[in-house]
Amino acid sequence: DQQVKQNSPSLSVQEGRISILNCDYTNSMFDYFLWYKKYPAEGPTFLISISSIKDKNEDGRFTVFLNKSAKHLSLHIVPSQPGDSAVYFCAASAASAGGTSYGKLTFGQGTILTVHP
Amino acid sequence: DAGVTQSPTHLIKTRGQQVTLRCSPKSGHDTVSWYQQALGQGPQFIFQYYEEEERQRGNFPDRFSGHQFPNYSSELNVNALLLGDSALYLCASSLDVAETQYFGPGTRLLVL
Repeated sequence: DQQVKQNSPSLSVQEGRISILNCDYTNSMFDYFLWYKKYPAEGPTFLISISSIKDKNEDGRFTVFLNKSAKHLSLHIVPSQPGDSAVYFCAASAASAGGTSYGKLTFGQGTILTVHP
Repeated sequence: DAGVTQSPTHLIKTRGQQVTLRCSPKSGHDTVSWYQQALGQGPQFIFQYYEEEERQRGNFPDRFSGHQFPNYSSELNVNALLLGDSALYLCASSLDVAETQYFGPGTRLLVL
């Protein structure tokens, strides 16, 4: 049962253009969502998060959008840079104590982003 | 300010052996979570420790056990290793159970 899905295994964009990474979830108890970036031989690096009480959160070049009715979130990177090339994971958790998803992160399979100079 | 650290970085074991992996959380963090990442997959939650107790557990057999010490550092133990246990083991720490988790570099385990 894949509760968090990233349906695009890879994405290739030109430097300076926008990168849009997508993520879908099925568990309606999820109320906190995160994006991580991972380089080979390193652990995931936290990028940005969003709570279900918001529909958008920005941090520099990174913006996360949340559509609760569609159970869909996306990460926009503008402008994309070659150093952004990495695997991007979305993750979800439930901040409501007592639930089975409380505090634990459920990850998607990841999307490999390649930004060409 | 040191981030999350893990040791060892790499480990090779044979089937049936036991292994212990270690994690030191980010300064100020009191919650440690462990994840297993198989090749080409996202990390899978193993368990989470808070106040030296296992608070949450994922779908992993009892061969996987852990411990959290009073200084918040943690160990992951895996008994009776199987070939399928070969993976990257990630430790993440957070300030409290439901806060953002920050990951260490991982321990790459190979079971032969």
